[in-house]
Amino acid sequence: QKEVEQDPGPLSVPEGAIVSLNCTYSNSAFQYFMWYRQYSRKGPELLMYTYSSGNKEDGRFTAQVDKSSKYISLFIRDSQPSDSATYLCAMTHLGGGYQKVTFGTGTKLQVIP
Amino acid sequence: EAGVAQSPRYKIIEKRQSVAFWCNPISGHATLYWYQQILGQGPKLLIQFQNNGVVDDSQLPKDRFSAERLKGVDSTLKIQPAKLEDSAVYLCASSLGGGLGTQYFGPGTRLTVL
Repeated sequence: QKEVEQDPGPLSVPEGAIVSLNCTYSNSAFQYFMWYRQYSRKGPELLMYTYSSGNKEDGRFTAQVDKSSKYISLFIRDSQPSDSATYLCAMTHLGGGYQKVTFGTGTKLQVIP
Repeated sequence: EAGVAQSPRYKIIEKRQSVAFWCNPISGHATLYWYQQILGQGPKLLIQFQNNGVVDDSQLPKDRFSAERLKGVDSTLKIQPAKLEDSAVYLCASSLGGGLGTQYFGPGTRLTVL
């Protein structure tokens, strides 16, 4: 079993839809949870990160963490064609004095105008 | 603020050849990472430097991959000899510190091994 599982998609939605992206994990040592967005032929860029269970909102994006279920989500409201990208969840745990990052496989999202 | 620079952007080689990638991190960033991203997968950490010292190279195939970070700034990643399964995008990232500092990624080098 992989430490981090993410539905690869692809996910295709009409413009304006609410998008839900999800990851599950098995390692209880994960402390910080992040979402990255990766456009085609670009490096990932950090969208949001959170530490505790609950919701964190930033504009049209909401990150949700449920540590008891080992489940994290990213919601995108009023999705736009510019949101079309691959979304990677990432999680960190402390190892050797440093935060070690493990990425999910990514979900490819297409928002259709 | 300039971002993370990588070169070359694309490289095609034959198996058993050698190849080198170069990364220039954001100025002042102490931590530098090299990731391998195979098509359809998330980035996998190969090596992490704190200044010019290695703090994690547990997933680096040391029989063929090597990396160095001279003077704690630029870094090079080398593969010798390359295998077909090394075809991937090699991403360099940097952050201010080794904690939860935000990692800033470069555009990557797309390697194709024939």
